[in-house]
Amino acid sequence: DGGITQSPKYLFRKEGQNVTLSCEQNLNHDAMYWYRQDPGQGLRLIYYSQIVNDFQKGDIAEGYSVSREKKESFPLTVTSAQKNPTAFYLCASSNQGTNQPQHFGDGTRLSIL
Amino acid sequence: DQQVKQNSPSLSVQEGRISILNCDYTNSMFDYFLWYKKYPAEGPTFLISISSIKDKNEDGRFTVFLNKSAKHLSLHIVPSQPGDSAVYFCAADNTDKLIFGTGTRLQVFP
Repeated sequence: DGGITQSPKYLFRKEGQNVTLSCEQNLNHDAMYWYRQDPGQGLRLIYYSQIVNDFQKGDIAEGYSVSREKKESFPLTVTSAQKNPTAFYLCASSNQGTNQPQHFGDGTRLSIL
Repeated sequence: DQQVKQNSPSLSVQEGRISILNCDYTNSMFDYFLWYKKYPAEGPTFLISISSIKDKNEDGRFTVFLNKSAKHLSLHIVPSQPGDSAVYFCAADNTDKLIFGTGTRLQVFP
């Protein structure tokens, strides 16, 4: 079955540590995205990539980094510079072109101890 | 400044009745709109979308209406079922990026 896999489901880290969230898709989608969701808020875009080896900052990129070395993979690193990293992180992908819906993974909940 | 707004944080509807979820936007350049359904601790699931060249799109029990002059869209669910209880997000396509509203929690009771 095609889909988007995010791992792990829950992640705990100590303050000051970098942590990397995994996102893999086998939908053959060109574009991939990372969002953050906080309680009572909508999804906010962190980074996105429309093609391998290229990515752009979203609305809240500070304290995060990404890479896109393979079409299937778009890992997100939450660095120690991110002031409030505890959140629910969602990865999505879509086909290129106009009017293409994004499809989401099941998310990773990151908690900083 | 929120470009996509869902002003009702919650909605409660009896099973079998119609659920109407509303969404307003500010940017008249948005030309594609989507609705997602989200259960707790899961990713959003794409439900239905509409292009700005249409004013209605229907898929089974779900219909989305778009009023461009009012910059307003709505999602109608008929008939509502208990399994529809979830948070619903509307989103607008802004040149390859989606801008999401804050969501409306729908509860369908027997």
